[in-house]
Parts: sequence; C-alpha cells; structure tokens
Amino acid sequence: QKEVEQDPGPLSVPEGAIVSLNCTYSNSAFQYFMWYRQYSRKGPELLMYTYSSGNKEDGRFTAQVDKSSKYISLFIRDSQPSDSATYLCAFSGGGADGLTFGKGTHLIIQP
Amino acid sequence: DGGITQSPKYLFRKEGQNVTLSCEQNLNHDAMYWYRQDPGQGLRLIYYSQIVNDFQKGDIAEGYSVSREKKESFPLTVTSAQKNPTAFYLCASKVSWAGSSSGNTIYFGEGSWLTVV
Repeated sequence: QKEVEQDPGPLSVPEGAIVSLNCTYSNSAFQYFMWYRQYSRKGPELLMYTYSSGNKEDGRFTAQVDKSSKYISLFIRDSQPSDSATYLCAFSGGGADGLTFGKGTHLIIQP
Repeated sequence: DGGITQSPKYLFRKEGQNVTLSCEQNLNHDAMYWYRQDPGQGLRLIYYSQIVNDFQKGDIAEGYSVSREKKESFPLTVTSAQKNPTAFYLCASKVSWAGSSSGNTIYFGEGSWLTVV
C-alpha cells in the first residue's frame, strides 16, 4: 500500500462548478496536512494548512481532514479558469525530514 | 521581497559533467530542502538540512551532493554519477525544523529545469 494516494486526473469541470480533490494516506504519524497549487513550470505554492480534523475555510477554498478515515479533501467553490493547475496534497509528522507528497491532480476549468 | 531564489531557471548538462544549482533564501528559515519532480512521480526528497554545516540524505540522494555553509544558501550539485538527471529541481525552506502547530509548512522556489544534452 502506498503511503499517499492521489488521483492524477486530469479532472475537467466547467467554470463555476464546485471541485472536490482528495487524498488518502496510511501513515498514522501524519499530523499536519497541506494543499499546494502548482502552475505549469512553476514552484508549488501553499494553499491550505491544517493540523486537526475538521474543516478550514479560506475564501473559495475549504480544506477538510478526517483523521479517523485517513482522508483529506480540498473543495473549490465557484471555480475559475485561473484555478487550472496541479494540486498536490502534502503531509508531515512534525519531523525535520520534509513533507510526503501525493503525485498531484491535474485540474482543468473550462471557460 | 522575502523568498527563495533558484538559479539558473534552465540548465543544460553534457554527459559526464557536474553542475550546481543555486538556492538562496532570505526568510531566515532554519531548514532547507531539495526535491526532484518528474512527470507522474510527484516530488521526491534529495537532501535536507536542519542547520548550518549539517545535512541528511533524502530518498534519492545517490548522484547528488550538497553543502550548507551559510544559513541562507543550500546549493545542490548534480554529479556525473546521477544517470538520469533530466528533471525539474525544487528548493524549499521551512521556518523551524521542529514540529509545531505553524512551523511545518514548506515554501518553494520557482524551480530549475535541468536537461542532459
């Protein structure tokens, strides 16, 4: 079983739709959960950071963590063509050895 | 502006050559990282450093070397021993090497593309 599972897509939705992106993980030591957005040929940028189960909202973005199911989600409301990018989930156990990343989901928002 | 600067953006390497990718940060972060990104493979950790003059191997350190002589700088050398170096290389930093409620987020530079010719 892989440590992190993330559907690579591509996921194509019409502008204005609600987008749901998901990751599952197997490592119970993960305590911190992040979502990054990466545009083509650019470095990833941090979108959301959470460290507990539940929901966290920031504008059109909502991050959801379910530690009991080892499942995290990112919801994008009122999706825009500028949201077209690859979205990476990332996990940390709190140590110094960096983050464990999903392989990324390629999202396409159709105008 | 505070951030992480990687250079060069694009680099071409001949067979048998060593090349060095530069990474500089002015965020006063303690920890720095190098990741490699290949299509369909996600990000894989090459090396990381928690403090000046100290660094540890990541998951794919073979064929790479690093140094950490200054807090702000963490250059990566891709040696001739790396048989498949063509990839997108990302440098990153974190505010604290120890776990904390806010100190576990990693910030990335814009990346360097390395191609073997």
